[in-house]
Amino acid sequence: GQQLNQSPQSMFIQEGEDVSMNCTSSSIFNTWLWYKQDPGEGPVLLIALYKAGELTSNGRLTAQFGITRKDSFLNISASIPSDVGIYFCAGQRGGSEKLVFGKGMKLTVNP
Amino acid sequence: EPEVTQTPSHQVTQMGQEVILRCVPISNHLYFYWYRQILGQKVEFLVSFYNNEISEKSEIFDDQFSVERPDGSNFTLKIRSTKLEDSAMYFCASSEALLAQGTQPQHFGDGTRLSIL
Repeated sequence: GQQLNQSPQSMFIQEGEDVSMNCTSSSIFNTWLWYKQDPGEGPVLLIALYKAGELTSNGRLTAQFGITRKDSFLNISASIPSDVGIYFCAGQRGGSEKLVFGKGMKLTVNP
Repeated sequence: EPEVTQTPSHQVTQMGQEVILRCVPISNHLYFYWYRQILGQKVEFLVSFYNNEISEKSEIFDDQFSVERPDGSNFTLKIRSTKLEDSAMYFCASSEALLAQGTQPQHFGDGTRLSIL
């Protein structure tokens, strides 16, 4: 199937630390997306990746689309308390409109 | 910044009753989607809609579900006879064009929490 394995499932870090998370799949995806979800809200798009090998930054966030097209990672540098939330990776295959989501990574940042 | 809006934020319904969840997608978007998220689990695709018809649906989207764009702004999800396992957050999303074309990705609303009693 088109499952995404996202790891780690949760992280507890101190403010100012960097954090890294990744998603892997046995299937190829044409697009990788990273979303953040705060309690009671919908997923908010952080970064979209469209090409294998692509490395994209958005402020303190950096994400890469794996060369094999079967994985992606997201880094957050110099974390701050408002980075707390659940981070989801999502992949989309060619010819399909649906996004396949990972199970999410719950981030806790201690001030 | 334009956003996807969903109403109501919380819907409580008796099992077996019909429920309609409403969404107003971003105005210039052409593709519309429904996803659901059971408490503590990942977001799951239900259906996509383009040019007034369903373009793709998942196994979850069975005969009890239907979608409609009744006018130029609203996009609805109807569940005909709700079951306990339909309890979840339902998210509407919209995009300007297909991701496969390398254009804008899907933007999500804040969801409707559906509780079936």
